[in-house]
Amino acid sequence: QVQVQASGPGLVKPSETLSLTCTVSGGSISNEYWSWIRQPPGKGLEWIGYIYYSGSTKYNPSLKSRVTISVDTSKNQFSLKLRSVTTADTAVYYCAKGGGSVDYWGQGTLVTVSS
Amino acid sequence: SYDLTQPPSMSVSPGQTASITCSGDKLGDKYTYWYQQKPGHSPVLVIYQDNKRPSGIPERFSGSNSGNAATLTISGTQALDEADYYCQAWDSSTVVFGGGTKLTVL
Repeated sequence: QVQVQASGPGLVKPSETLSLTCTVSGGSISNEYWSWIRQPPGKGLEWIGYIYYSGSTKYNPSLKSRVTISVDTSKNQFSLKLRSVTTADTAVYYCAKGGGSVDYWGQGTLVTVSS
Repeated sequence: SYDLTQPPSMSVSPGQTASITCSGDKLGDKYTYWYQQKPGHSPVLVIYQDNKRPSGIPERFSGSNSGNAATLTISGTQALDEADYYCQAWDSSTVVFGGGTKLTVL
């Protein structure tokens, strides 16, 4: 069974860039969609965007100006960059398998935006 | 933007049927997905494409979708079904989540 695990800094300063990487194991990143979703503490789920293994992307319109999702098939990884973060970007960030729906979620990593 | 609305909370007695609704404009024209999230855990897909159950999801979970609303039904609700439930749809190639429903079994 495929597994996904997000990794990256747990603390980011306001105005800086949040960068996370998701490593796919137990299967190939090819021929699949991969997503980033976040959940602020105590709140609901917010879709960030998804990428196809070929590199085509779709982003949440409310975040589109600050988000870049990329893929590295040679490393079986995909990544998230969120620019100009504020405290409102503090959340558990999930990487997941799927695009229009998610059939497997990773463990989630808490990213706190604070000076 | 497209919005999905869920009741923030609901409660059900053990053994009874819980029906969680998700409403959105012409939602019946789209596929709806449902996720279960227990405290401290990642969400789990319990219904996809309106009414299909992934492998390993108990038969007591079922779904329907018509008109402007989709419904997740849990028959014979058990204590372990207590969780947050999120609906999700796909509109214009973007993914939209409902606000979530906290289901309490008491």
